[in-house]
Amino acid sequence: AQSVSQHNHHVILSEAASLELGCNYSYGGTVNLFWYVQYPGQHLQLLLKYFSGDPLVKGIKGFEAEFIKSKFSFNLRKPSVQWSDTAEYFCAVIPRSQGNLIFGKGTKLSVKP
Amino acid sequence: ETGVTQTPRHLVMGMTNKKSLKCEQHLGHNAMYWYKQSAKKPLELMFVYSLEERVENNSVPSRFSPECPNSSHLFLHLHTLQPEDSALYLCASSQDARGPDTQYFGPGTRLTVL
Repeated sequence: AQSVSQHNHHVILSEAASLELGCNYSYGGTVNLFWYVQYPGQHLQLLLKYFSGDPLVKGIKGFEAEFIKSKFSFNLRKPSVQWSDTAEYFCAVIPRSQGNLIFGKGTKLSVKP
Repeated sequence: ETGVTQTPRHLVMGMTNKKSLKCEQHLGHNAMYWYKQSAKKPLELMFVYSLEERVENNSVPSRFSPECPNSSHLFLHLHTLQPEDSALYLCASSQDARGPDTQYFGPGTRLTVL
């Protein structure tokens, strides 16, 4: 079955630290990739997405992600986190052959001021 | 962001109650979705509607009954639920259910079943 793995359940960082959240998916075909963020008490929001083209995509609030097809990975990065980045981050994949969005379990990020 | 709205935001119900969750999208999309978000589990797709027609039902128990009267509104009717059904229920919409489009989510309804 298709699945999405997020390696870290909870990440704790200090402000200004660099962030990398891992995401791997299991599907051999062409996919569209997404990172969503859920701030405390708020709804899921799209952070960035990759459909095609440059595998390094930039999203809102200084986030970026790199699609490495050979590794089936789509890791999320930010060079310097802020306290306001405290949230839960979800990686998601849609195999192009069918339109169902498959989510990872999420990674909770806590940024200490 | 008010593209997808959900009511109520919180709901507490007994196992014998009947209640309904409502979702409305203001984005002109053709597809709408219900997801269940439980602690420490990935979001689970429950139902998919495309142009008011159900196109997917991921083996959801019959105590959950969806209704899509038009492309802007989606309901989830609940009856005789179990405590393990307590979760955050999310509604989403996208332009087209048949393509790999971006989905936009509502704020969710936090459901507690006593």
